[in-house]
Amino acid sequence: SAVISQKPSRDICQRGTSLTIQCQVDSQVTMMFWYRQQPGQSLTLIATANQGSEATYESGFVIDKFPISRPNLTFSTLTVSNMSPEDSSIYLCSVGGRYNEQFFGPGTRLTVL
Amino acid sequence: ELKVEQNPLFLSMQEGKNYTIYCNYSTTSDRLYWYRQDPGKSLESLFVLLSNGAVKQEGRLMASLDTKARLSTLHITAAVHDLSATYFCAVDRLDSSYKLIFGSGTRLLVRP
Repeated sequence: SAVISQKPSRDICQRGTSLTIQCQVDSQVTMMFWYRQQPGQSLTLIATANQGSEATYESGFVIDKFPISRPNLTFSTLTVSNMSPEDSSIYLCSVGGRYNEQFFGPGTRLTVL
Repeated sequence: ELKVEQNPLFLSMQEGKNYTIYCNYSTTSDRLYWYRQDPGKSLESLFVLLSNGAVKQEGRLMASLDTKARLSTLHITAAVHDLSATYFCAVDRLDSSYKLIFGSGTRLLVRP
């Protein structure tokens, strides 16, 4: 299984600002996934990030709000833009395994005031 | 639209008891995954079920998959406090997107 790290682990931000979350994997992977987990809720896929192409966003998520970069096969960033308290969540990146099971990073806990 | 439903959503049980968590899904898929999440932590992969009739066991947990019934179960035997966590099932959409759809999760509390 891949080893995944995320930065920051947590942050408290003011309304209207932006935060960029970094995800680093210890091996090269084709696809990386970004999820949001709102308090007490399940996981919702935000987008799939492929190296060398635009990210693919799920219904309800747009690039202007959640721009994603994927500069190489081991790294990706997710930016949460123009934040509001409703963006307070845990943001998780993941990669697929041999049987498409997902391996998750430790998550970034975001609180927006 | 693929839907994944878990029940119960919350389970409080005594140590030493047995119980089963159910995961139903709405479309054909023969890949199902179980995860554990401790409070404030990320998700840990527990089981990967890849075909009809698959059964996997690890310690006091056993997972099974019935693709014809579109049902997976996670059985807990003689529960201990350390099993307290939230358990998620997830289904592979099998549309070449490599995306998973997660159930709502079952929060398990094992009481002494």
